[in-house]
Amino acid sequence: NAGVMQNPRHLVRRRGQEARLRCSPMKGHSHVYWYRQLPEEGLKFMVYLQKENIIDESGMPKERFSAEFPKEGPSILRIQQVVRGDSAAYFCASSPQGEVAGNTIYFGEGSWLTVV
Amino acid sequence: TQLLEQSPQFLSIQEGENLTVYCNSSSVFSSLQWYRQEPGEGPVLLVTVVTGGEVKKLKRLTFQFGDARKDSSLHITAAQPGDTGLYLCAGVGGTSYGKLTFGQGTILTVHP
Repeated sequence: NAGVMQNPRHLVRRRGQEARLRCSPMKGHSHVYWYRQLPEEGLKFMVYLQKENIIDESGMPKERFSAEFPKEGPSILRIQQVVRGDSAAYFCASSPQGEVAGNTIYFGEGSWLTVV
Repeated sequence: TQLLEQSPQFLSIQEGENLTVYCNSSSVFSSLQWYRQEPGEGPVLLVTVVTGGEVKKLKRLTFQFGDARKDSSLHITAAQPGDTGLYLCAGVGGTSYGKLTFGQGTILTVHP
């Protein structure tokens, strides 16, 4: 987990509010991945980004969710008009290159979103 | 859609016992990874297996990748209370980048 920084670690939002989760990859890593872990479930891939580009967003819900990884600054996962079903742990991971077979991607410690 | 079936979902054993966790799929993976996750933290990589039939050992943990690269197992010898945690397998599919397919996880509890 060392090096991938996520914040906030815990976030409470009321239904209808917006949630913004931030991820700073490890130094030198330009590939970022977001995963969601619902209670009692495994991690599910959401989106893969490189700097200024979304490479694969096949795991993103069609509405209310968006992600970006700007040229400068952290990657942001944004959830608009949150609902209780969005309550989950959101994990960011990074890698130095896209090819990970046999290589390592590093996970952050997660952001726990609770919608009340 | 690639799926990984991980079993058992829960495992409660006494210190000193051996155990095996399985991950099975009908899909071929280019590599397979095993993670351990503590409560409130992110997954930490234990091992990556790449070659069909590959066996890797990490102290008391033995990881095996099936010959056809569709399944894997994690065997722990003489389990200790410190082994308690959530174990996850994750497959890297045809895309090869970090789009991992995770199993549902195995919650292991080792009683002293």
